[in-house]
Amino acid sequence: AQRVTQPEKLLSVFKGAPVELKCNYSYSGSPELFWYVQYSRQRLQLLLRHISRESIKGFTADLNKGETSFHLKKPFAQEEDSAMYYCALHGSSNTGKLIFGQGTTLQVKP
Amino acid sequence: DTAVSQTPKYLVTQMGNDKSIKCEQNLGHDTMYWYKQDSKKFLKIMFSYNNKELIINETVPNRFSPKSPDKAHLNLHINSLELGDSAVYFCASSQDRLAGGPFLNEQFFGPGTRLTVL
Repeated sequence: AQRVTQPEKLLSVFKGAPVELKCNYSYSGSPELFWYVQYSRQRLQLLLRHISRESIKGFTADLNKGETSFHLKKPFAQEEDSAMYYCALHGSSNTGKLIFGQGTTLQVKP
Repeated sequence: DTAVSQTPKYLVTQMGNDKSIKCEQNLGHDTMYWYKQDSKKFLKIMFSYNNKELIINETVPNRFSPKSPDKAHLNLHINSLELGDSAVYFCASSQDRLAGGPFLNEQFFGPGTRLTVL
């Protein structure tokens, strides 16, 4: 079964502290992994995907197939990073179906 | 503005009523989706249409019926509303993955419709 787990419902850090939002997945094939973000009063939007291996707004995420993880990291959190973050998986069905994790609210305190 | 739009933004109704939520995208995308976000913020896909054809139909009560009059529109009709239907419903769209393409295209989300069933 395909599943995405984000163990932390809420992550609270101080500005300037490192951030790691955890994501683990369950999938037998080669998945495509994504991070989507929803800022307050804004739409859900793509933050980054593992295929592109890019850094967006200082965030990076590495796919670790051995640990079946795709943790989102940022070395120095900013207040504007406060948002809800969703990890999502797409399997090989090629239907566009995304399996979302439960979401983690990141709160960056001044 | 090019975007995914939904109407209405808020919908408050009584149990047993029938209601519809409309979604339109002017991004020229081929695929549209409906997601449900429950009170715990858990986001789950309900339906997906590609060029007006249903391609994803999750385990959703048959009181929910999507309709796609053309590839730019995907409406969601809900019959006999129940308390448990209260949620935020998001529409999204994406371009088809190019044949043999390396990755799934980004999904663009609408602003959501908050449905409250009393």
